[in-house]
Amino acid sequence: NAGVTQTPKFRILKIGQSMTLQCTQDMNHNYMYWYRQDPGMGLKLIYYSVGAGITDKGEVPNGYNVSRSTTEDFPLRLELAAPSQTSVYFCASSLYEGNYGYTFGSGTRLTVV
Amino acid sequence: AQSVTQPDIHITVSEGASLELRCNYSYGATPYLFWYVQSPGQGLQLLLKYFSGDTLVQGIKGFEAEFKRSQSSFNLRKPSVHWSDAAEYFCAVGANPGAGSYQLTFGKGTKLSVIP
Repeated sequence: NAGVTQTPKFRILKIGQSMTLQCTQDMNHNYMYWYRQDPGMGLKLIYYSVGAGITDKGEVPNGYNVSRSTTEDFPLRLELAAPSQTSVYFCASSLYEGNYGYTFGSGTRLTVV
Repeated sequence: AQSVTQPDIHITVSEGASLELRCNYSYGATPYLFWYVQSPGQGLQLLLKYFSGDTLVQGIKGFEAEFKRSQSSFNLRKPSVHWSDAAEYFCAVGANPGAGSYQLTFGKGTKLSVIP
């Protein structure tokens, strides 16, 4: 049981480049989330999805896009990377609404230079 | 909207000493409360959660937390800290199911250092 799998674990991007952070879960969870974690700032919600085909913005969505074509996958797209997007990105999932707790992936550390 | 405050950014304790990490929340109804732990370079692992019922909840690794509605607090405790407990701890709050708020809101975290 792999849980929530994120790839890549590390990535360095140049300003203006684009990339997709991958997130896959094998628990048949309906709800999926993307957070970013910055030192001393906790976790901020970027986007979330309540099921295939349904996504919505969180607290800090600017500069990001998501899609949810299947229950398992919830990729996060960065367009025109900026230094402010240097962060650690976590994907999480939950069977029910997040109130019951999340399962987290191990994170992607992204540096934009 | 819900919010979480963890007043202590960094706490240092000696191995074997007791530990209490503070968490205060803001939410209009009975909240769903969580404590997560993050070891360096790792994702977040759920320690314990409170939904309803007994206000003292037990978690993994010997941790417990007490929900105090009158103080809007959900403090995490451990009677005797081990060196392996050194990590960052996050308190989180969620809304009641059906409230239309699907996500958890996290505090900024408390980093725990343990002196051998």
